[in-house]
Amino acid sequence: GDSVTQMEGPVTLSEEAFLTINCTYTATGYPSLFWYVQYPGEGLQLLLKATKADDKGSNKGFEATYRKETTSFHLEKGSVQVSDSAVYFCALSDRGGTSYGKLTFGQGTILTVHP
Amino acid sequence: GAVVSQHPSRVICKSGTSVKIECRSLDFQATTMFWYRQFPKQSLMLMATSNEGSKATYEQGVEKDKFLINHASLTLSTLTVTSAHPEDSSFYICSARDWLRHPTDTQYFGPGTRLTVL
Repeated sequence: GDSVTQMEGPVTLSEEAFLTINCTYTATGYPSLFWYVQYPGEGLQLLLKATKADDKGSNKGFEATYRKETTSFHLEKGSVQVSDSAVYFCALSDRGGTSYGKLTFGQGTILTVHP
Repeated sequence: GAVVSQHPSRVICKSGTSVKIECRSLDFQATTMFWYRQFPKQSLMLMATSNEGSKATYEQGVEKDKFLINHASLTLSTLTVTSAHPEDSSFYICSARDWLRHPTDTQYFGPGTRLTVL
């Protein structure tokens, strides 16, 4: 079945540091890939997505590139802020067969940014 | 746009009672809604997929008689936890898909409902 593996956290950084959160996946079909963010006490918000190989999703300074050859979708940001502190989830949606539209999530990575 | 609300945000109930959680798409029509459960510091687990006007499809291991899902309109789905027990305490999150604006597979999430069963 489909699965998503994220780097284990928690990740603690100082403000303006570079962020990378690794994400790899396995899927039987050709999935769409997503990063969702969950701020404390809130629901998930879509951060960015990519629907085909070599696509780059970007939003709020975050970027991730769909790498089919390495089955990866790593999240990066050049300079993090305290307000980026949250839990980040990598997810895939397999567009094939009966599983169409279902999201499979990674385990989440807690990011804490200190001033 | 693409706002999903949930009500209530928090609920505390006694063991053996039933609790209903509502999920609404406020500014779009959601033909498909999803219900997830999230344990502390863990990922989201899909419980069921709900399509408007038809029976929900439950994931393996989820008791459909315990977690009743109704999707009676294009903007409302409800999850009823029947005969709740302390082990049902969790964070329940719904999501919805907007087929008209995003015919791909983007889901929009509600803020979640914290259920505590005493």
